[in-house]
Amino acid sequence: DAGVIQSPRHEVTEMGQEVTLRCKPISGHNSLFWYRQTMMRGLELLIYFNNNVPIDDSGMPEDRFSAKMPNASFSTLKIQPSEPRDSAVYFCASSGLLGAYEQYFGPGTRLTVT
Amino acid sequence: AQSVSQHNHHVILSEAASLELGCNYSYGGTVNLFWYVQYPGQHLQLLLKYFSGDPLVKGIKGFEAEFIKSKFSFNLRKPSVQWSDTAEYFCAVDTGRRALTFGSGTRLQVQP
Repeated sequence: DAGVIQSPRHEVTEMGQEVTLRCKPISGHNSLFWYRQTMMRGLELLIYFNNNVPIDDSGMPEDRFSAKMPNASFSTLKIQPSEPRDSAVYFCASSGLLGAYEQYFGPGTRLTVT
Repeated sequence: AQSVSQHNHHVILSEAASLELGCNYSYGGTVNLFWYVQYPGQHLQLLLKYFSGDPLVKGIKGFEAEFIKSKFSFNLRKPSVQWSDTAEYFCAVDTGRRALTFGSGTRLQVQP
């Protein structure tokens, strides 16, 4: 199993540009989570999906952030327009349906907005 | 809303020393508890988890944690740390909504 796959691993962009982060969850997992990690705020949940449906997006900072999960094997997190304060590491995680549904994290995307 | 507190932000130990990292949560209902580790430059990996049953749970790499319901605590322990345990450790709580609330993390530095 390849684990959770995220792309790109690093992204540097200028303020005002659109940024799209991508995630492929572990095959068979039905829940997908987007987290953001910063020095100031630690690890924060942005949004999570269950069976491709957004369940809780209360952590999404503002309307500039949007997330989609068009199918069970792909999700995107988009920031438009990006701002320097969006600089962070964005993690995607997935978990399964049965038993011990611990979350498995991807390697993260380090976003730098200049 | 639930919250998770990790009071030790930075811990420095010598190899072979014993480790205990504190984790307290604020939620009155049933919880699932986790400890994750993040090695430098890497993603989070699960160390151990508690769902029910024996409150003393054992995880990978010699780590264990004890759930004390009356104290709302889930402290992480290891009898003898190694240099390779240098990492950041996160306690996390799931209150049944499937999403995790993380503590602020404890950075452990083990000196050889």
